[in-house]
Amino acid sequence: DVKVTQSSRYLVKRTGEKVFLECVQDMDHENMFWYRQDPGLGLRLIYFSYDVKMKEKGDIPEGYSVSREKKERFSLILESASTNQTSMYLCASSWDRINQPQHFGDGTRLSIL
Amino acid sequence: AQTVTQSQPEMSVQEAETVTLSCTYDTSESDYYLFWYKQPPSRQMILVIRQEAYKQQNATENRFSVNFQKAAKSFSLKISDSQLGDAAMYFCAYRSAFMANAGGTSYGKLTFGQGTILTVHP
Repeated sequence: DVKVTQSSRYLVKRTGEKVFLECVQDMDHENMFWYRQDPGLGLRLIYFSYDVKMKEKGDIPEGYSVSREKKERFSLILESASTNQTSMYLCASSWDRINQPQHFGDGTRLSIL
Repeated sequence: AQTVTQSQPEMSVQEAETVTLSCTYDTSESDYYLFWYKQPPSRQMILVIRQEAYKQQNATENRFSVNFQKAAKSFSLKISDSQLGDAAMYFCAYRSAFMANAGGTSYGKLTFGQGTILTVHP
């Protein structure tokens, strides 16, 4: 089975802090994704990566950046955390871009105080 | 841009009964994939069922089946013989079959609906 592991299930940070959310997959997937999930809005794509060191903006990239130095690891970075970034963050990976389903991690519930 | 709409924020069903969750989408593309994902309280999103738009036959997976109406852009999920373990948030999602859409890169991104919370009563 595919395993997508997010480093923290719960995280509390303060406004202005630099925050790192880590995601690791064990299936040699090329594609990795970061979403945020908010009530009534579903999941919205922040960034995705289709290869090492490659990244593309999703629908809501403002205030975020990403890093993919190794194929198995995809990090989401909040450069200067703000309260409106309090949310559930989900990481996903897939074998190819179109035909294969995405596999998700358990999510990180991030609170910015 | 594609949009996905789930008009039922919450649904409930009695154990062993059947329930249908609605999903509509808007796209100008002819080829795409549609998915239903389940997110139980444990939070991990699990793929329930997938439908390719070029296939007329509705997908089925055990107790789960879809009613795919391409012309109406409708993709509903039917859960038969509901079980307590079916209680979860259900998301409908759309994915283009093209590598890049007219607006730029899509690279197989998923567009999700708002979600429907399903409660199963014993």
